[in-house]
Amino acid sequence: ILNVEQSPQSLHVQEGDSTNFTCSFPSSNFYALHWYRWETAKSPEALFVMTLNGDEKKKGRISATLNTKEGYSYLYIKGSQPEDSATYLCASRVGAGNMLTFGGGTRLMVKP
Amino acid sequence: DSGVTQTPKHLITATGQRVTLRCSPRSGDLSVYWYQQSLDQGLQFLIQYYNGEERAKGNILERFSAQQFPDLHSELNLSSLELGDSALYFCASSPSGNNEKLFFGSGTQLSVL
Repeated sequence: ILNVEQSPQSLHVQEGDSTNFTCSFPSSNFYALHWYRWETAKSPEALFVMTLNGDEKKKGRISATLNTKEGYSYLYIKGSQPEDSATYLCASRVGAGNMLTFGGGTRLMVKP
Repeated sequence: DSGVTQTPKHLITATGQRVTLRCSPRSGDLSVYWYQQSLDQGLQFLIQYYNGEERAKGNILERFSAQQFPDLHSELNLSSLELGDSALYFCASSPSGNNEKLFFGSGTQLSVL
């Protein structure tokens, strides 16, 4: 059974703080690692898809890194803003097609 | 707006009944995915279709079935419903289904009473 683990489960930070979360996934048969942002009452929205060991992706103040050999990815948010408050999901692709196994998510709350 | 349309948004039904959830993918996307989000679990992959054919299957119950039609819309059929089937069902789409980000619909909230 493939387990994708995310930590921490939740995080409270002050506006302006920088923060990071971890996603752990089995490193064997790795195809791709996805990050999604899920705001309350909305649907998950893709941030990044990473496939190569050492990949780094950036979108505004959010960036991600990937280590496929040891099976982890970090998501960084620089200078958190209240609008960054959301649940951040990672998902690992396994096997045929684009079947993704999602982690439980990290819920971020940014206080003004 | 992701461009993925799911109907209905909410569905309330009784145990033992059968329901159909509908999904229209983004224009041009050939792959459709169904996910289930229960209170005590994360997003669980159910099934993926690509251009009308089943591409990958997850932990989908035998009481559940899905299909993708020639116009690429998809339907998820849930039968002999149980209380535990109450969940948020998401449909997502992607262009071809290989290492691409998914575009999620707004979901169908199913309540089985």
